[in-house]
Amino acid sequence: AQTVTQSQPEMSVQEAETVTLSCTYDTSESDYYLFWYKQPPSRQMILVIRQEAYKQQNATENRFSVNFQKAAKSFSLKISDSQLGDAAMYFCAYRRAFGNEKLTFGTGTRLTIIP
Amino acid sequence: DGGITQSPKYLFRKEGQNVTLSCEQNLNHDAMYWYRQDPGQGLRLIYYSQIVNDFQKGDIAEGYSVSREKKESFPLTVTSAQKNPTAFYLCASSIGFSGTGEPQHFGDGTRLSIL
Repeated sequence: AQTVTQSQPEMSVQEAETVTLSCTYDTSESDYYLFWYKQPPSRQMILVIRQEAYKQQNATENRFSVNFQKAAKSFSLKISDSQLGDAAMYFCAYRRAFGNEKLTFGTGTRLTIIP
Repeated sequence: DGGITQSPKYLFRKEGQNVTLSCEQNLNHDAMYWYRQDPGQGLRLIYYSQIVNDFQKGDIAEGYSVSREKKESFPLTVTSAQKNPTAFYLCASSIGFSGTGEPQHFGDGTRLSIL
């Protein structure tokens, strides 16, 4: 069974600085997808970024980028120029490439932005 | 706009009572999912359905039941057999079997509490 581990329950960063959230996963499959979701206080789940395992290039979405290390099974999220609106729970999630599309989530990292 | 609607936003259950959480989507997605979220934990899969009139148990199905009579609807019943139902429940949907890595889309959730 696949597992996803987020070892940082809480992180904080000064506004405008950069922060990196860690995620590791365990799988025996070679093709899969990885996601970062953001959950602000409103509790809505918002997709931040997606990475295909077969792509070596790290995904980027504006201020959000990932460091995907397939051999190490590591998938960290870097947030640059942190803003107050980035304060949220961040969840890392894994999905098989084929078959059903159910997600396996990590336990989350609560990110606080310090003004 | 397409999306997922969960209702009610807040729900209270008395001891020995079954309650049903509604989830409706107009995204024309084949697959739908129910997750449970507890404090300090990630989302855990309760049930999922990849097609109408078919569904499978997730990781924590005991005490829950679902139906999928229509493509747009995937209601979740929390039965009296679920001894610790207080949690935040999220419904999601995805294209289903696409192999393209399309992400799941989430509703705004229902908070269930015991009276």
